[in-house]
Amino acid sequence: GAGVSQSPRYKVAKRGQDVALRCDPISGHVSLFWYQQALGQGPEFLTYFQNEAQLDKSGLPSDRFFAERPEGSVSTLKIQRTQQEDSAVYLCASSLSGQPQHFGDGTRLSIL
Amino acid sequence: AQSVTQLDSQVPVFEEAPVELRCNYSSSVSVYLFWYVQYPNQGLQLLLKYLSGSTLVKGINGFEAEFNKSQTSFHLRKPSVHISDTAEYFCAVSDRRSGGAQKLVFGQGTRLTINP
Repeated sequence: GAGVSQSPRYKVAKRGQDVALRCDPISGHVSLFWYQQALGQGPEFLTYFQNEAQLDKSGLPSDRFFAERPEGSVSTLKIQRTQQEDSAVYLCASSLSGQPQHFGDGTRLSIL
Repeated sequence: AQSVTQLDSQVPVFEEAPVELRCNYSSSVSVYLFWYVQYPNQGLQLLLKYLSGSTLVKGINGFEAEFNKSQTSFHLRKPSVHISDTAEYFCAVSDRRSGGAQKLVFGQGTRLTINP
């Protein structure tokens, strides 16, 4: 497609379950970012990939959060043993190197 | 490290009136500046960006912003708003030194509501 695609759009999980969120960036975009947006807040940076290399994971809130981009295209954000505070919208963005980021519509995660 | 403060959490205006959304930033290094718009249940769309050059930047949908280095501000303006401008607006900065790794630091957002 023409834009960044994220799936699922909505995810409901019980506390303690593991979840996986997928991001399909714009074709050819080497840079890929994940952000977390809590209700009523601005997005906060989680992690950054350049191709398949994860160059910055300073924003990941705990070791329960893990992201990968094994072939330098699709990325998956995994959250293990989910907690209620993980409820948020998770946004993926991609860009050509040094260019503005294009965002997907996000995955709204609700932890019950 | 950088931080962004959006001074108004909500701004209600009447249709066809002018609007200004305020943004101040703090940074020990030079930054790029951005405004994004977020419609309900959607991701963020870039309105405009300041990279270098003229401090008055024009974006999409009739919006413009002015970079003021001395006041560390990047306020967003539109001379006449439309109902369709109702959305959440985010100001953001990124570190110029990071090259391609331009992670964004966002403000808390300003909800712009246009009343008929």
